[in-house]
Amino acid sequence: GIQVEQSPPDLILQEGANSTLRCNFSDSVNNLQWFHQNPWGQLINLFYIPSGTKQNGRLSATTVATERYSLLYISSSQTTDSGVYFCAVPSGTYKYIFGTGTRLKVLA
Amino acid sequence: DGGITQSPKYLFRKEGQNVTLSCEQNLNHDAMYWYRQDPGQGLRLIYYSQIVNDFQKGDIAEGYSVSREKKESFPLTVTSAQKNPTAFYLCASSIRLANEQFFGPGTRLTVL
Repeated sequence: GIQVEQSPPDLILQEGANSTLRCNFSDSVNNLQWFHQNPWGQLINLFYIPSGTKQNGRLSATTVATERYSLLYISSSQTTDSGVYFCAVPSGTYKYIFGTGTRLKVLA
Repeated sequence: DGGITQSPKYLFRKEGQNVTLSCEQNLNHDAMYWYRQDPGQGLRLIYYSQIVNDFQKGDIAEGYSVSREKKESFPLTVTSAQKNPTAFYLCASSIRLANEQFFGPGTRLTVL
């Protein structure tokens, strides 16, 4: 089945810094989701991005489906950005495969 | 306010007991899912349902059961056959299978 790898596994930033998180997948996909899991465990939808680039405030995402990767950019990071970031891609017709996540800590 | 609710937020179970976790959505989605998350890990699929009265096993269904009698509701029962049930359980829904998923706040289950 499809494999999903995220990097880096851990990231520590000073408030105000920018960062790039990467999601690699082993097979072609027709959509991809990015999530932020906050410290309380809630999974927040960030982007649903099969291809191209989308922006939402300080966050943006780019998926290059032909090269099998997606990038999540966080600019001017804030302490509230801390948590775990997951990407997920569909496998077959019914389920998503989740990466192991990037754990982000933003220091004040 | 559209969304997905899960209850309870925290649940404690004695060994040998069955417990049922609730998941309700008012997004008019056909597909619903249950995932399990262990500390420091990603999400693993337990069961999914494409439509009312239909559900299928995911990757780790042993020791779990579900029902889908109403479009809005997809309860998960953790049975005594589940050897290591302590985990965080997340319910999700999407318009159709493998479309954009939305998640509930989760239930944290601890076996005493």
